[in-house]
Amino acid sequence: DTGVSQDPRHKITKRGQNVTFRCDPISEHNRLYWYRQTLGQGPEFLTYFQNEAQLEKSRLLSDRFSAERPKGSFSTLEIQRTEQGDSAMYLCASNWGVVGELFFGEGSRLTVL
Amino acid sequence: AQTVTQSQPEMSVQEAETVTLSCTYDTSENNYYLFWYKQPPSRQMILVIRQEAYKQQNATENRFSVNFQKAAKSFSLKISDSQLGDTAMYFCAFMKQRAGGTSYGKLTFGQGTILTVHP
Repeated sequence: DTGVSQDPRHKITKRGQNVTFRCDPISEHNRLYWYRQTLGQGPEFLTYFQNEAQLEKSRLLSDRFSAERPKGSFSTLEIQRTEQGDSAMYLCASNWGVVGELFFGEGSRLTVL
Repeated sequence: AQTVTQSQPEMSVQEAETVTLSCTYDTSENNYYLFWYKQPPSRQMILVIRQEAYKQQNATENRFSVNFQKAAKSFSLKISDSQLGDTAMYFCAFMKQRAGGTSYGKLTFGQGTILTVHP
């Protein structure tokens, strides 16, 4: 098992375009999370899945953001009509168990021009 | 809502020395978990140490230990015998405990402290 993987690692796009990020969690983990980290700040929680069910969404997740985990395995995070303020590192993490340690991916860095 | 504050944007230490990173938090919860995560440059974040709020004993993991002061809402990280590989951004994080003692992974992070270990 190679850990949590994210793709692409870096995406540069023009304002108004749509982008999609993919996360493959550790295979036996039933919980998956998306966080956003801006430069010099700590990560902020965006959303959480248990298996295929999206159980919580932050108010940070505007209508332009949508996340899915269709078969309870990989997840996608789509941002529609990107804005410059969306520029950030998008981190995926997974875990399982009662109070499971979060395992993070290396992140997908988004730059909106 | 919870807040986590790390008041030291940057710290530096000489190899083999000891350094302490500070963290304070604010919450009305009585049951929760606290964490220190390490984010090396261009690499993924990894867990350093975890503390359950109901435990009075401070957690230790090899060279890493915490000083947990629940009444003061303080949670500092001490790194002993610092190594070059300890150079990283360190984040303090809070997780609320849910009913039944379970929790999941919704963390509230501090702003981070950049630690540089010099040879």
